[in-house]
Amino acid sequence: DTAVSQTPKYLVTQMGNDKSIKCEQNLGHDTMYWYKQDSKKFLKIMFSYNNKELIINETVPNRFSPKSPDKAHLNLHINSLELGDSAVYFCASSPLAGGLTDTQYFGPGTRLTVL
Amino acid sequence: AQSVTQPDIHITVSEGASLELRCNYSYGATPYLFWYVQSPGQGLQLLLKYFSGDTLVQGIKGFEAEFKRSQSSFNLRKPSVHWSDAAEYFCAVKGSNYKLTFGKGTLLTVNP
Repeated sequence: DTAVSQTPKYLVTQMGNDKSIKCEQNLGHDTMYWYKQDSKKFLKIMFSYNNKELIINETVPNRFSPKSPDKAHLNLHINSLELGDSAVYFCASSPLAGGLTDTQYFGPGTRLTVL
Repeated sequence: AQSVTQPDIHITVSEGASLELRCNYSYGATPYLFWYVQSPGQGLQLLLKYFSGDTLVQGIKGFEAEFKRSQSSFNLRKPSVHWSDAAEYFCAVKGSNYKLTFGKGTLLTVNP
């Protein structure tokens, strides 16, 4: 059983389109995250939700909107896609409320290519 | 805010040789440190973590890391590398803002 899963694995789309990436975890964790990995492999946190409540919201364009329907799911919706949005997006989850000792477990990633 | 430096962008070792990947962190208080591995086309897998106590921590796949406060380092080691260890390795630190900050990664190539 996959602990943290993401769909789709690959997403190719045109500039200006709106797209969503879905994430689900079956670990019973309370906190979920979205990270962006750029072309140089640099990983940066975008958002974090604890029990459906937003707790981390980095400096991300408001074209990006996370949605957490329940604590096992965290989706990422992106409006008006731009070339610079091309990246690998990782979902992660952790058991607690994101504290110091809270360990994050990552999904397989979604490679988004904007043409 | 905390930061992580991985000085080596790319390392090549022969199969069976020992490995050390360097990680230096910047953080004023006690850091919480992690090593993750990313195999090609895969997500990140946690190798090991350090929170407190014994400064030598053991992880999965035969990896270990040593926390050295005086050097602000948390280097990852393996005594004998296998071809399947070829991957990208990320060191990360968590500070009081609870955010996980990653280094830029070290790509490991293993020669047969």
